[in-house]
Amino acid sequence: AQSVTQLDSQVPVFEEAPVELRCNYSSSVSVYLFWYVQYPNQGLQLLLKYLSGSTLVKGINGFEAEFNKSQTSFHLRKPSVHISDTAEYFCAVSDPGGFKTIFGAGTRLFVKA
Amino acid sequence: ETGVTQSPTHLIKTRGQQVTLRCSSQSGHNTVSWYQQALGQGPQFIFQYYREEENGRGNFPPRFSGLQFPNYSSELNVNALELDDSALYLCASSIGTGKETQYFGPGTRLLVL
Repeated sequence: AQSVTQLDSQVPVFEEAPVELRCNYSSSVSVYLFWYVQYPNQGLQLLLKYLSGSTLVKGINGFEAEFNKSQTSFHLRKPSVHISDTAEYFCAVSDPGGFKTIFGAGTRLFVKA
Repeated sequence: ETGVTQSPTHLIKTRGQQVTLRCSSQSGHNTVSWYQQALGQGPQFIFQYYREEENGRGNFPPRFSGLQFPNYSSELNVNALELDDSALYLCASSIGTGKETQYFGPGTRLLVL
């Protein structure tokens, strides 16, 4: 069975500082990996996804993530955060040919001025 | 192009009652997935519909049921409501499954008293 672990429930960071949100997954088959963002009182929005090929994936709003198969990780990074990046971030996994997407518990990013 | 919409936005029910939540898919999308997001948790997969047929189901009891209509809109029905059913219910539409990006609605917040 697949599972997703987001290692930090909350990450406080100052504006313009870099940030890394950590995600580990477990699966016995190859996977697709996703990062979604949820702003208050809104649904989820896709930031980026890894399907195959280059392990460094670039997404919207300056975010990027690196797929590491040996460490079964898919950490999300941004070199310089803004106040507007304050939100909940979810890592998710699905398998080719599958129907189910498994989400992690989320990491709350709080950007301070 | 309209996005995914859900109705109602908020709902209060009492234990034992039944509820129907509605989702209108993004134009051109033939797949709808429903998720339950408890407070402080990640979304949990309930089930998915593809071209009006249930395509897969998560670990939810049979009192959670659904429908998808020819225009690909969808309903989630929950019978015999329990207090633990209180959550944000999200629907997401996509073109197919697996690697496809899911587009989420803003959710329906259900409170069971």
